[in-house]
Amino acid sequence: KAGVTQTPRYLIKTRGQQVTLSCSPISGHRSVSWYQQTPGQGLQFLFEYFSETQRNKGNFPGRFSGRQFSNSRSEMNVSTLELGDSALYLCASSILSGGGQETQYFGPGTRLLVL
Amino acid sequence: GNSVTQMEGPVTLSEEAFLTINCTYTATGYPSLFWYVQYPGEGLQLLLKATKADDKGSNKGFEATYRKETTSFHLEKGSVQVSDSAVYFCALSNGNQGGKLIFGQGTELSVKP
Repeated sequence: KAGVTQTPRYLIKTRGQQVTLSCSPISGHRSVSWYQQTPGQGLQFLFEYFSETQRNKGNFPGRFSGRQFSNSRSEMNVSTLELGDSALYLCASSILSGGGQETQYFGPGTRLLVL
Repeated sequence: GNSVTQMEGPVTLSEEAFLTINCTYTATGYPSLFWYVQYPGEGLQLLLKATKADDKGSNKGFEATYRKETTSFHLEKGSVQVSDSAVYFCALSNGNQGGKLIFGQGTELSVKP
């Protein structure tokens, strides 16, 4: 079974631009979560989607948004990019959402560099 | 609130040495606990997990026991290999917050031949 895939793997943008990252979960998984990883802040939760609905949101500004499609694929968008948005963005999928016991499987990440 | 604290790295060991990476947590209710590993340039891989008190998770020679009385989930391995060099993350998931994972800051392990 194919794992979580993320595209693109690498991205360079300039301040003020916007970016869209894509995540395809493992087949059959309906929950998708997004995390930001930086050297200073570590791994921080962005948001979680389940059946096309945002179920949970972390403490990030409104410039960070996401959505999930009927096939469970998810996208996240960052508008008006800032230098501090440079990070590795990780997507994770799991079968269900809410129980807290499900294992989340991570993709390889998209490394975003903002210049 | 919920939080995870790991011992600071980097940790440097010789091959075949014993490994312990400490992890303690603060949470309401009964969280599930996880150890993830990240190799250079890659995403996170689940190493092991435990979903209730006194459960022991194990995989690839690594073990961790869910200790509710000490709110700990320390990672251990009896004999490390060079290939174990990576960053290790302790994490918790609390049922009242859906699938959200809360991570510790990560511990970098370097194993020398």
